[in-house]
Amino acid sequence: QVQLQESGPGLVKPSETLSLTCTVSGGSISSYYWTWIRQPPGNRLEWIGYIYYSGSTNYSPSLKSRVTISIGTSKNQFSLKLNSVTAADTAVYYCARGSGGTQPFDYWGQGTLVTVSS
Amino acid sequence: QSVLTQPPSVSGVPGQGVTISCTGSSSNLGAGYDLHWYQQLPGTAPKLLIYTNTNRPSGVPDRFSGSKSGTSASLAITGLQAEDEADYYCQSYDSSLSVWVFGGGTKLTVL
Repeated sequence: QVQLQESGPGLVKPSETLSLTCTVSGGSISSYYWTWIRQPPGNRLEWIGYIYYSGSTNYSPSLKSRVTISIGTSKNQFSLKLNSVTAADTAVYYCARGSGGTQPFDYWGQGTLVTVSS
Repeated sequence: QSVLTQPPSVSGVPGQGVTISCTGSSSNLGAGYDLHWYQQLPGTAPKLLIYTNTNRPSGVPDRFSGSKSGTSASLAITGLQAEDEADYYCQSYDSSLSVWVFGGGTKLTVL
């Protein structure tokens, strides 16, 4: 059974960089699209972007200038960096697995709340 | 404004059935992109409920079913149970925005 687990700081100051890591267990990171999705409090889910196991990436146009998704040095991890954060970036951040194309996100992490505040 | 539009809430009594709609446009559902449904129980991550319009992952009861036609899709739940009380989200791809998009979510209350 594939499991994903997010980790990282729960509080980030405005204008700084949000950094999260997703650890994948129970399966290979190969041949899938490793995705970040966020959910602001009381709001809809928002797709942030993905990284394919080969390293190619695709980001939401609205966040593209501030986002970097990378595969970790430990090959069962991938990471999200979102710079120049504001209060609008406060959300629960989920990592998830996709199979590419228009396939669904079939496995999700439990999510981690990141609050942007001074 | 949502790219995929869902009713904010629906309700039903145990044993009855409900339907949740998801309305898109020519750049997502109308373009033929598949529609998926997720169930989010309180305080938990979304869980895949229906994929590729009509398919249930292993372990999802057959009380849940999906359909899609043109720019609209629906999730039907029969034989409502208290444990079905959750938020339900539809999701697809939008070629105009070049993003994977979610509906605004529908809160199901089991009375």
